[in-house]
Amino acid sequence: GAVVSQHPSRVICKSGTSVKIECRSLDFQATTMFWYRQFPKKSLMLMATSNEGSKATYEQGVEKDKFLINHASLTLSTLTVTSAHPEDSSFYICSAPTPHGGLDNEQFFGPGTRLTVL
Amino acid sequence: GENVEQHPSTLSVQEGDSAVIKCTYSDSASNYFPWYKQELGKRPQLIIDIRSNVGEKKDQRIAVTLNKTAKHFSLHITETQPEDSAVYFCAASHTGANSKLTFGKGITLSVRP
Repeated sequence: GAVVSQHPSRVICKSGTSVKIECRSLDFQATTMFWYRQFPKKSLMLMATSNEGSKATYEQGVEKDKFLINHASLTLSTLTVTSAHPEDSSFYICSAPTPHGGLDNEQFFGPGTRLTVL
Repeated sequence: GENVEQHPSTLSVQEGDSAVIKCTYSDSASNYFPWYKQELGKRPQLIIDIRSNVGEKKDQRIAVTLNKTAKHFSLHITETQPEDSAVYFCAASHTGANSKLTFGKGITLSVRP
């Protein structure tokens, strides 16, 4: 099956620093990837849709200048949390749609990145 | 936009009993409905999905039913086992690989040995 990886799996940083999270599709190409944030005991909330070759589409209420997304290639999307603050501490998960295309909607999730901002 | 409601937030069953989790959605254009199982600190795992041209789908102990008229779909787990204990999320999206998923709030299922 399709495999999505994320790096790093865990990161601890000081308040005010920036953190970059990578999402890779390992054995398929993804022109679209999705970034989610999940707070403890909460659901996955879509932050933005990452589009290869064009700007990301952000969900309402998500600051695009704070959460920078770059879809650098057909297998890599990055999320940079700029000037991170403790309230940004969360579990960040990416996903990529099935490589089969067509009407198939299945998404493949990365293992997630646990961000802790001190 | 789509709104997916999931109730209740917790469910406890005895091992061997069945568990049923229900979700409702608001967008009549949604036609893909997956269910995910998530263990603590792990990624969501797709356990079953259903598309709007099908009313029911089954995979061993797991089944999903869909009522498009009423805009609700349900997950059925039979012969529950302790390893079924996890958080379960329902979701909905439109057709197409690049369509975004809207998740329900999740339910914590506990299976008592």
